[in-house]
Amino acid sequence: KNEVEQSPQNLTAQEGEFITINCSYSVGISALHWLQQHPGGGIVSLFMLSSGKKKHGRLIATINIQEKHSSLHITASHPRDSAVYICAVAQGGSEKLVFGKGTKLTVNP
Amino acid sequence: GAGVSQSPSNKVTEKGKDVELRCDPISGHTALYWYRQSLGQGLEFLIYFQGNSAPDKSGLPSDRFSAERTGGSVSTLTIQRTQQEDSAVYLCASSATKEAEAFFGQGTRLTVV
Repeated sequence: KNEVEQSPQNLTAQEGEFITINCSYSVGISALHWLQQHPGGGIVSLFMLSSGKKKHGRLIATINIQEKHSSLHITASHPRDSAVYICAVAQGGSEKLVFGKGTKLTVNP
Repeated sequence: GAGVSQSPSNKVTEKGKDVELRCDPISGHTALYWYRQSLGQGLEFLIYFQGNSAPDKSGLPSDRFSAERTGGSVSTLTIQRTQQEDSAVYLCASSATKEAEAFFGQGTRLTVV
């Protein structure tokens, strides 16, 4: 079992829909990251969080440390949000990230 | 520079040859990471540098892989005697501190033929 599990693997939505991507992990962590990878491979860090909730524009990330679960929400989705969204955790005491396999999001106009 | 810069962006090499991949982190960033992404696979940690501390090499897949970081800035990842399974996108990231957000380069796509 992968230490970081994401769901769904693939997600197709219509423009304007509310999107939720989930991430569960099985190890103790010091931080959790949400990354966005566009076609062509460039990776952008969206959020780094260790508790609670963060918001940036239409993106919201939440984490529940007790349940070892995080969610990434996209409100009013747009075709330009189409990308692979990757959850990664920094295990407690280590600086290296352990990655989920990613969620491929396609937003249709 | 404005962001993390990696070179080359693409590299095709023959099996058995050595390759060097370069990463220029954001100026002043003390933490530098190397990851790789094989086709159809998730991202995989390779090595981590933090300031003048000894690097965390725990992710290097074999002794054919090595990395150095000179003067706390530029880093070079070297793969000796390349194999076809080394084909992947090699990504470098840097952050201001080990707790800060990481910024990724565009990656080097390595193809071993």
